[in-house]
Amino acid sequence: GAGVSQTPSNKVTEKGKYVELRCDPISGHTALYWYRQSLGQGPEFLIYFQGTGAADDSGLPNDRFFAVRPEGSVSTLKIQRTERGDSAVYLCASSLGQGTDTQYFGPGTRLTVL
Amino acid sequence: EDQVTQSPEALRLQEGESSSLNCSYTVSGLRGLFWYRQDPGKGPEFLFTLYSAGEEKEKERLKATLTKKESFLHITAPKPEDSATYLCVIGGYNKLIFGAGTRLAVHP
Repeated sequence: GAGVSQTPSNKVTEKGKYVELRCDPISGHTALYWYRQSLGQGPEFLIYFQGTGAADDSGLPNDRFFAVRPEGSVSTLKIQRTERGDSAVYLCASSLGQGTDTQYFGPGTRLTVL
Repeated sequence: EDQVTQSPEALRLQEGESSSLNCSYTVSGLRGLFWYRQDPGKGPEFLFTLYSAGEEKEKERLKATLTKKESFLHITAPKPEDSATYLCVIGGYNKLIFGAGTRLAVHP
């Protein structure tokens, strides 16, 4: 079956612009996660959805970052007034439920802020 | 604070030269220890989950083991296609906590 997909695969934007990154999880997975990975580092948690609601957004770095999952499937990560420090690979993962369920990752979106 | 430390940062092996990657962790309540493989430009790929000390899992040339404070990923007779970054991950509440990874290069 299809895995987690993310679009776009690459996004180049200018400082101060708004961007949206999309994640399409594995069908039937109720839990969805966003992570951010900087070069040479492991991914860092941003936000977790269980169904339509954000169950844990403690990893979002500031209020320029926001994510939605209105129908409990596709999720969009939104970044306002982008800064050069936001440049990273943004990874999405989904799992069947929560807790110890295995998370399956998408290929990521590489965001570059000039 | 939950933390994962992996060593070495990078490892170069000749094809067929077995070795081990180390992961030490501190966590208030372990909800699984995971190993993922990540190839350049791709997302992490799930390998193993371990839940309790003494548990072992195997897949092809890889074997993962778990103690109360460490996990090891043993690679037996590696091949060039095993070259990747291997990520040790602990399951926290609502999230995964990743180590920085070990970059493995296997040369023919």
